[in-house]
Amino acid sequence: EADIYQTPRYLVIGTGKKITLECSQTMGHDKMYWYQQDPGMELHLIHYSYGVNSTEKGDLSSESTVSRIRTEHFPLTLESARPSHTSQYLCASSEGREGEVGNQPQHFGDGTRLSIL
Amino acid sequence: KNQVEQSPQSLIILEGKNCTLQCNYTVSPFSNLRWYKQDTGRGPVSLTIMTFSENTKSNGRYTATLDADTKQSSLHITASQLSDSASYICVVSDRGSTLGRLYFGRGTQLTVWP
Repeated sequence: EADIYQTPRYLVIGTGKKITLECSQTMGHDKMYWYQQDPGMELHLIHYSYGVNSTEKGDLSSESTVSRIRTEHFPLTLESARPSHTSQYLCASSEGREGEVGNQPQHFGDGTRLSIL
Repeated sequence: KNQVEQSPQSLIILEGKNCTLQCNYTVSPFSNLRWYKQDTGRGPVSLTIMTFSENTKSNGRYTATLDADTKQSSLHITASQLSDSASYICVVSDRGSTLGRLYFGRGTQLTVWP
């Protein structure tokens, strides 16, 4: 069982609020990821990190930002939430370092279901 | 364009029956293919991984096959149980980048009825 935790599990909040979605893993993985998933659709990578102080944007453009100050922690922030941000956000981590081909499985958290009114 | 297509989109079977889910991909260069199971309200969990040289791999009642020539994979579930109700996602990794970029299918939603 993978040890990766996301909070909150559900969040309903009004437009314009600042939101931070938390993600923590206890496996010591260097690589971490944020995905966005809408019902019936594939996961889209929005951010990833190879390690501390490393963050990159993914395939899907997102107005969110991320930080990686500690290995185990990879929070995602929306400065001003809008209804278009309503979605499920999944955090994942995997073994391996930058420069290694990514054949290791990604371990996913249970996601945050975000609804912006 | 690298893509992963899954079929059927949804499937309903009776408990105890077998089923097969399909995955076609165009990802190149190919590194590996994984099947993930995603229960409702949970994150995906890896079931199997197939590399280029592997044709079949089993994990309990789950058996995955890979035909790298035709770029097709299948996931066969034997003697289905109610707990098999979930979305099954095919994920293909390329080896063109150190990130090992993943390409996700939209999943097959399996429902097992008693």
